[in-house]
Amino acid sequence: GAGVSQTPSNKVTEKGKYVELRCDPISGHTALYWYRQSLGQGPEFLIYFQGTGAADDSGLPNDRFFAVRPEGSVSTLKIQRTERGDSAVYLCASSLTQGTYNEQFFGPGTRLTVL
Amino acid sequence: DAKTTQPPSMDCAEGRAANLPCNHSTISGNEYVYWYRQIHSQGPQYIIHGLKNNETNEMASLIITEDRKSSTLILPHATLRDTAVYYCIVRVVGTGGSYIPTFGRGTSLIVHP
Repeated sequence: GAGVSQTPSNKVTEKGKYVELRCDPISGHTALYWYRQSLGQGPEFLIYFQGTGAADDSGLPNDRFFAVRPEGSVSTLKIQRTERGDSAVYLCASSLTQGTYNEQFFGPGTRLTVL
Repeated sequence: DAKTTQPPSMDCAEGRAANLPCNHSTISGNEYVYWYRQIHSQGPQYIIHGLKNNETNEMASLIITEDRKSSTLILPHATLRDTAVYYCIVRVVGTGGSYIPTFGRGTSLIVHP
């Protein structure tokens, strides 16, 4: 079956622009996570959704970052007024549910480059 | 969450066992040990997890010391495709609350011919 997909795979933008990154989780997975990974570092948690609601957004670095999941499946991570420091790989993961352990399945990531 | 310490890099000959250590000396009684790996240019992939007993699956074995302060991930017959960064994570699992794995820098394992 299809795994987690993310689009675009690469995004190059200019400083100050707005970008949207999309995540399609595995069908039926209610939990969805966004991470950011800089070169040489492990993934850094940004936000977690259970269904349509953001259950934990403590990892969002500032108010330029926002994410939605309006129908409880596809999610979009939105970054306003991008800065060069936002350049990283943005990873999405999904799992069957939350509360008890469920394996997280990761997508391939979107590589964002802010010039 | 308990902090983990892993060596930054290791290497292993193809066909040999790869033993990746992880120190989690501040782990508490209800925290599980998880391992993920990340092959270059891919997202992390779950490998295995355990609480106190040793665990084995088709990918690897997890050996947890009796005091649970450290663990070892064992790849019994490493192949070139096992070259990746391996992350050891500890986290509470249970009803209520969220499970958010905290990834460190992991161990970069290089399997050579």
